[in-house]
Formats: sequence, structure tokens, C-alpha cells
Amino acid sequence: DIQMTQSPSTLSASVGDRVIITCRARQTINSWLAWYQQKPGKAPKLLIYKASNLENGVPSRFSGSGSGTEFTLTISSLQPEDFATYYCQQYSGYSSSFGGGTKVEIK
Amino acid sequence: EVQLVESGGGLVRPGGSLRLSCVASGFTFSSYSVNWVRQAPGKGLEWVSFISSDGHSIYYADSVKGRFTISRDQGKSSLYLEMNSLRVEDTAVYYCARDWGSAPSSLDYWGQGTLVTVSA
Repeated sequence: DIQMTQSPSTLSASVGDRVIITCRARQTINSWLAWYQQKPGKAPKLLIYKASNLENGVPSRFSGSGSGTEFTLTISSLQPEDFATYYCQQYSGYSSSFGGGTKVEIK
Repeated sequence: EVQLVESGGGLVRPGGSLRLSCVASGFTFSSYSVNWVRQAPGKGLEWVSFISSDGHSIYYADSVKGRFTISRDQGKSSLYLEMNSLRVEDTAVYYCARDWGSAPSSLDYWGQGTLVTVSA
């Protein structure tokens, strides 16, 4: 399995802040990367697929970039409903794996 | 409206077995691949298994290979996970999630999850 490393594990930010979360793959995964948002007690929600494609209905303040082994999720202006945990997922080949998660907390 | 509803979770002893189900509605089930993903209490997400739309391609995480079996019933729009030789570390909320690809890919719809607790 391809190991995925997210940083930071926790991030404190204020409403209106620009937030950047990083995900690194141990080996190249081209652009086979997705980002999810999860709130407590809820299932994850798909935000970004194939590294930079915004899922239907997801606000445009979310964006993804990167290819190969390094990827970022950017929230351009953090909103109150964005406080949650974010996960990256690689899906290169015949298996998949998630990063350890980044919890975005209120500063 | 796309819906995935899991069931079958519960308390089981180490070494025991359990069968999870996931019923799909709101889309043509036979046209989509499906995955199981789990989340241990307070922990992150772990991909468990994938089955293609036609059921011919199946993949497992190393942590469950040889113990878990994924299957689907197109007529019942249902996905299953047969779990044997359960271990304490299998304790988690198990989600089924829809996939568009012929191999594991991004997961656009998820169920609400069913809790499996493995404890003596």
C-alpha cells in the first residue's frame, strides 16, 4: 500500500483565513488523489477528485493542486461550516489509502 | 436521491464472524463499483475493499485479506462484507461508498456507517 502523510495534523485558524493542507505520497500517484471533509458523527464528503477537480456542489473556496507525490488542499477564506477534519485519499493501482487527517479548529 | 444504508454491525467476540450489508437506492446499482471503508473510534479512515460494477474485480487491504469477503447482489441492489476471524483491531464504523471506476477511485456517496465492536 502507498503511505500518505498529511500535515499538519491539527490546524488552528480563524474565519476568513486562508488554509493550506498538504498531503505527500511515498511514491508517485500521478493525479489520483481525492480530498474529503468529515464532521463529527458524519460520513466523509467528497470535495476534490483527481487532485484538482471540484466535486459538484462544493463551494469554490475549496481548491486542490499537485501531482506526483505532493498535493495541497486550499480553503481560500475559511467559513464557520469548514471547521472539520480533512483527509486525502490516493487511488493509484488496485488499492487505496488515506492520509491520517488534518483537524481544522477554531483559533 | 442517492442513498446507501448499512446494517449488520454489532458486538462480536474475537475470532467470531459478522456479515455487513449495504442497500443502495436512487441510482443504477449495477453500473457502479462500491467500496467498504472503516474508521476505528477516534481514528482516521482506512480503505478495506473494492468490488467492480460487474463483480469481476475485487481488491482488499492487506489487513483484511484472507479474512473478509466482499460481494454484491445486483437484483437486491446490495453490497455485502463477510467478516471472519475478527480481531479487536477490526473494531470500527464500517461505511459503504460508491465509486465510479474499474479500480478503487474517489468515493462520491457514502452511507451513514454501521459500528462493529470486537471484544471479549
